[in-house]
Amino acid sequence: DAGITQSPRYKITETGRQVTLMCHQTWSHSYMFWYRQDLGHGLRLIYYSAAADITDKGEVPDGYVVSRSKTENFPLTLESATRSQTSVYFCASSEAGRLNYGYTFGSGTRLTVV
Amino acid sequence: SQQGEEDPQALSIQEGENATMNCSYKTSINNLQWYRQNSGRGLVHLILIRSNEREKHSGRLRVTLDTSKKSSSLLITASRAADTASYFCATDALTGTYKYIFGTGTRLKVLA
Repeated sequence: DAGITQSPRYKITETGRQVTLMCHQTWSHSYMFWYRQDLGHGLRLIYYSAAADITDKGEVPDGYVVSRSKTENFPLTLESATRSQTSVYFCASSEAGRLNYGYTFGSGTRLTVV
Repeated sequence: SQQGEEDPQALSIQEGENATMNCSYKTSINNLQWYRQNSGRGLVHLILIRSNEREKHSGRLRVTLDTSKKSSSLLITASRAADTASYFCATDALTGTYKYIFGTGTRLKVLA
């Protein structure tokens, strides 16, 4: 979706390696989110952020680290990748006070851990 | 655990028919949203319904909400092949933090 970009689109990494998924939005939305999508589980919230320097855990935060030093960027780091972290990762953003517009999602990063 | 669960998991209908998907959730909410996901793409927001609303329309979409039963339904009327996608409900569970939890989705296939 225009305005929120994720990179890379595809990534293959080895078990134990650190990998960072990038998310950048151009609207200055306050809220940003990371979800992972797996068959049979739908989307599960990993971490979210209400503003720069404010982050909080979601449903499945273990093994992940986030930071938000700038409003427009919300990178997700897998500190030591495991096969169970093979998934499609989606970043989303939302603006407080514009709830009727819902979240805007990026196109996703398909991560394979071998 | 998932806050929302969609039913059915998969649905196949003919073009022109109506498609109904249901979502049940566990805890009280402020708002419920529906999203569509085309294969290999990100999710797209369809509609939001607030806990004090019972029904909402947007084009061919009709959403209902029954807070006493903790359930919502999404009706797509006069379906088209382009409606083929997965549909997800998302609820905020009274967190007040704009944090939404998604269900597992309904895969809709509209046959031409």
